[in-house]
Amino acid sequence: GAVVSQHPSRVICKSGTSVKIECRSLDFQATTMFWYRQFPKQSLMLMATSNEGSKATYEQGVEKDKFLINHASLTLSTLTVTSAHPEDSSFYICSARGTGESAYYGYTFGSGTRLTVV
Amino acid sequence: AQTVTQSQPEMSVQEAETVTLSCTYDTSENNYYLFWYKQPPSRQMILVIRQEAYKQQNATENRFSVNFQKAAKSFSLKISDSQLGDTAMYFCAFMKQRAGNMLTFGGGTRLMVKP
Repeated sequence: GAVVSQHPSRVICKSGTSVKIECRSLDFQATTMFWYRQFPKQSLMLMATSNEGSKATYEQGVEKDKFLINHASLTLSTLTVTSAHPEDSSFYICSARGTGESAYYGYTFGSGTRLTVV
Repeated sequence: AQTVTQSQPEMSVQEAETVTLSCTYDTSENNYYLFWYKQPPSRQMILVIRQEAYKQQNATENRFSVNFQKAAKSFSLKISDSQLGDTAMYFCAFMKQRAGNMLTFGGGTRLMVKP
């Protein structure tokens, strides 16, 4: 089945530094990638939607200059948390939509990245 | 805008018994898709079951089945013969029919299967 590889799974960084999270679709072309943030014991909150070759669309309240999203190819999307601060600590998950009929069968999720900013 | 509500934050069930998780949603769309996702302690999101709104027949996947009531905008998940591995967060999700649309998630139900 469709697989989305997300790396790193865990990262600890110092306040003020930037962190890049990668999501790769391994056996399908991801025309659209969704990035979510999840706080402990809460639901997934959509941060942004990116389409290959286009600028990402950010949800209200999400700082686009802090959370940089690049979707340069049909198999790779990245989320960069710039100048990270402790309040950015969270669990980040990507989700990819394939093409054709598969798009209606739910999206494939990455395994998530736990970011801790110290 | 669509909203998805899961009214049961936590539930527990004895192993081998049956449990039903509730989900209601609000939409003005006529054609859409509904999903149940499972998020075990590993936090990997796993698709459990999917329902197309235009289909009256309830979806079934092995021990998992849904009760889809379109008029009532209700989409409950029934887990039969519960297993310890079913312990997880369960999220109900809504997607408009048009491809590329985002999933709207409910708040989740934490299910604990007890031995």
